[in-house]
Amino acid sequence: SQTIHQWPATLVQPVGSPLSLECTVEGTSNPNLYWYRQAAGRGLQLLFYSVGIGQISSEVSQNLSASRPQDRQFILSSKKLLLSDSGFYLCAWNLGASRLQETQYFGPGTRLLVL
Amino acid sequence: GESVGLHLPTLSVQEGDNSIINCAYSNSASDYFIWYKQESGKGPQFIIDIRSNMDKRQGQRVTVLLNKTVKHLSLQIAATQPGDSAVYFCAESLDGGSYIPTFGRGTSLIVHP
Repeated sequence: SQTIHQWPATLVQPVGSPLSLECTVEGTSNPNLYWYRQAAGRGLQLLFYSVGIGQISSEVSQNLSASRPQDRQFILSSKKLLLSDSGFYLCAWNLGASRLQETQYFGPGTRLLVL
Repeated sequence: GESVGLHLPTLSVQEGDNSIINCAYSNSASDYFIWYKQESGKGPQFIIDIRSNMDKRQGQRVTVLLNKTVKHLSLQIAATQPGDSAVYFCAESLDGGSYIPTFGRGTSLIVHP
């Protein structure tokens, strides 16, 4: 069966520091990968998605970037964190090769607090 | 896409009651709909889905109803339990798209013992 991991689970970082959040998927090949941010009490904002190694699509203009160095690894980064980067970051995957494979499955999330 | 809203709608029910959570979707061309459950501090968990060629689908204790005429989706939970307390999101997607769903704003379900 497929599993998705995110780490760290919680992170407290000072403003201006760098960020690296990691997401890995097990049990499948060539997944589509997604990064979402969720502010407290709000819905899901899509940040980036990737359909393959080295392929990144950005949905919003922001202080963050994403990379996909391996098939089942997705990384969210920042060179200098802002207070507004605080939130709950979720990684998700699907196969997306057909209409029957489009359901997204989410990781446990990383809670980021920028002080 | 992003859900917009300052506060989540809240539904409070007593344990054992049936719960109905509603969702109005935005795109009449959407043909695939998903309900997710998100417990506090965790990622969303898939509950049930439905395609537009159906108007009802049942799972274990849950039923999803789809009314395409008024672009309305509902999730019914039978015999609600305290463990059902969570935020519930609906999501829609459409054929010919990039398989990236659009999420609704979410509804907070509180089950009182």
